[in-house]
Amino acid sequence: SYELTQPPSVSVSPGQTASIPCSGDKLGDKYVCWYQQRPGQSPLLVIYQDTRRPSGIPERFSGSNSGNTATLTISGTQAMDEADYYCLAWDSSTASYVFGTGTKVTVL
Amino acid sequence: EVHLVESGGGLVKPGGSLRLSCAASGFTFSGYTMNWVRQAPGKGLEWVSSITRGSDYLYYAESLKGRITISRDDARNSLYLQMNSLRAEDTAVYYCARVVSTSTGDFDYWGQGTLVTVSS
Repeated sequence: SYELTQPPSVSVSPGQTASIPCSGDKLGDKYVCWYQQRPGQSPLLVIYQDTRRPSGIPERFSGSNSGNTATLTISGTQAMDEADYYCLAWDSSTASYVFGTGTKVTVL
Repeated sequence: EVHLVESGGGLVKPGGSLRLSCAASGFTFSGYTMNWVRQAPGKGLEWVSSITRGSDYLYYAESLKGRITISRDDARNSLYLQMNSLRAEDTAVYYCARVVSTSTGDFDYWGQGTLVTVSS
């Protein structure tokens, strides 16, 4: 089955840049979405189609996807960005969605 | 405004069954593929199942095939998940979510979730 791997945690200082990788075989051939989930809340879509931001998502969130790795970048990280982040892709070979393992972002 | 409200969760014994519902409002329900996603306590997100417009295609997580059935009633703007032969590892918050496009996986709206607890 298809797998997406993320680091369990990423730490960042306020105002700095956080980069969260998501790795999977030939992931660059698929579209990747990113979801933010704060404690006790439902997930929130922050990036879709690799690089697009939904309405209302701050410009400091950006995405890229190439080769075997997609990356979510948070520029000028704020305390409110502290949350769990998950990547997601559709695996057409198995007709299933696959979530990444998740990354906890801590703003120190 | 788009709203998705799940219901039907609760405590069920191992081997039991449960039917989850998701009531949708604020958009043309029949025009969207709908999904179930779950999250076990303290764990990550896990996709469960999808149903396309008109129920043309049903997709299931391999690990759950044979025990779950997804369905929809467009006249009632509702999504359902029938779960049978429940196990302790099925304990999770179950979310329904709308997806804009199947191949891009952009789940743009989520419900608040309903908790299913499988325990004797």
